[in-house]
Amino acid sequence: AVQLTQSPSSLSASLGDRVTLTCRASQGISSALAWYQQKPGNPPKLLIYGASTLESGVPSRFSGSRSGTDFTLTISRLQPEDFATYYCQQFNTFPLTFGGGTKVEI
Amino acid sequence: VQLLESGGGLVQPGGSLRLSCAASGFTFDKHVMSWVRQAPGKGLEWVSVISGSGGMTEYADSVKGRFTISRDNSKTTLYVQMNSLRVEDTAVYYCAKVAASDTYYFDYWGQGILVTVSS
Repeated sequence: AVQLTQSPSSLSASLGDRVTLTCRASQGISSALAWYQQKPGNPPKLLIYGASTLESGVPSRFSGSRSGTDFTLTISRLQPEDFATYYCQQFNTFPLTFGGGTKVEI
Repeated sequence: VQLLESGGGLVQPGGSLRLSCAASGFTFDKHVMSWVRQAPGKGLEWVSVISGSGGMTEYADSVKGRFTISRDNSKTTLYVQMNSLRVEDTAVYYCAKVAASDTYYFDYWGQGILVTVSS
C-alpha cells in the first residue's frame, strides 16, 4: 500500500501567515493526490485534486503543488476559518490511503 | 447533493450492523461511492468503494472478508454490511461520493454515523 507521510503533524501559526504543509508518498503516484480540510465535528471538505487543481468554490489562497513524490498544500494568508486539520489522500492505486493529517492551530 | 447515513449504534464484538446512505441531488447510478471511517480522535481511513453499476468493489485489508459494500440504484442508497465487528472498528463512518469517472477522490461527504463496538 502507498504510505502518505504528512509533516508537520501540527503547527502553530498566526492570522495572515503563509503556511506550507507537506505530504510525501512512499512510491510514485503521479498527480493522483487530493487535499481535504476537516473541522471538529464535521466531515472532510475537498480543497484540491490532481495535486494542484482547486476545487470549485475553494478560496484562491489555497494552492497545491507536486515535486516527484512530494506534495505541498500552501495557504497564502491564513484566515480564521482556516484553522483545521488537513489530510492528503492518494487515489493512484488501491487501497486508497490518507496521510495522518496536519493540525493547523493558532 | 445530500448524503445521509443511518444505521449506526452500539454493538458487541463479533456482532453485525448494516449502515445505509441515502443519496440525492445527483445521478446516483453514474457515480462510484465509498465508505471512509474515522476512529475517535484519529485520522481518516478508507474502507470500501463500489462502482456505479455495483459490478466492481474494493476493500481495505482491515475489513476484507468481514464487510460487504452494496448499492440499490433504484433507491439511490449505498450500504455496508459489517460482520464480525471488532473493537477497532469503532469509528464515525462517512459515506462519500467519488468526484468523477476514473478517479477516486471524494467531492461530497455525509455527516457521518457513529459505530461503537464494545461489550
